[in-house]
Amino acid sequence: EDQVTQSPEALRLQEGESSSLNCSYTVSGLRGLFWYRQDPGKGPEFLFTLYSAGEEKEKERLKATLTKKESFLHITAPKPEDSATYLCAVQGSGAGSYQLTFGKGTKLSVIP
Amino acid sequence: KAGVTQTPRYLIKTRGQQVTLSCSPISGHRSVSWYQQTPGQGLQFLFEYFSETQRNKGNFPGRFSGRQFSNSRSEMNVSTLELGDSALYLCASSLNSNNEQFFGPGTRLTVL
Repeated sequence: EDQVTQSPEALRLQEGESSSLNCSYTVSGLRGLFWYRQDPGKGPEFLFTLYSAGEEKEKERLKATLTKKESFLHITAPKPEDSATYLCAVQGSGAGSYQLTFGKGTKLSVIP
Repeated sequence: KAGVTQTPRYLIKTRGQQVTLSCSPISGHRSVSWYQQTPGQGLQFLFEYFSETQRNKGNFPGRFSGRQFSNSRSEMNVSTLELGDSALYLCASSLNSNNEQFFGPGTRLTVL
């Protein structure tokens, strides 16, 4: 059974204070690891897909990295508008299995 | 390009009733997945459809069912509603089953 654990559950940062969110996973063959951002009352917004260890992707102040057991979402010089819940999900490569298994998320608050 | 749309956005039902939720995927997307999101359990996979066929089903009782039409639009049905079915129901579409999934805004179901 695929499992995803995200830490910390909540994170408060001052504007401009860089940090990282962690996503640890166990999966029987990784098809892909996905990062999403979710604002209150809305559906998750797709950010990145990572497929293999060593891969990195960037978008504005966000950078996602992947190892064989975990992924990190690095946030550089965050702004208040980066406040949201960040969700990590994995898709295993089991036969006929295409579902995403999600972690519980990290709620990020960026204080001006 | 229009995103994933879900209707209705909000629903209030009473225990024992049934409900049908609708999802229109992004044009050209053939895979539609459904998830239930609650504060305690996070996002949990319900089922996935591809070309009108259910290919995966999560660990939910048989009261939860769904279908997909030839135009890729999908519906999910919950019969004999229970208080614990109160949640945000999210639909996600992807080009194929192993691509990133794009989520709709969700349907907020409240069972009284």
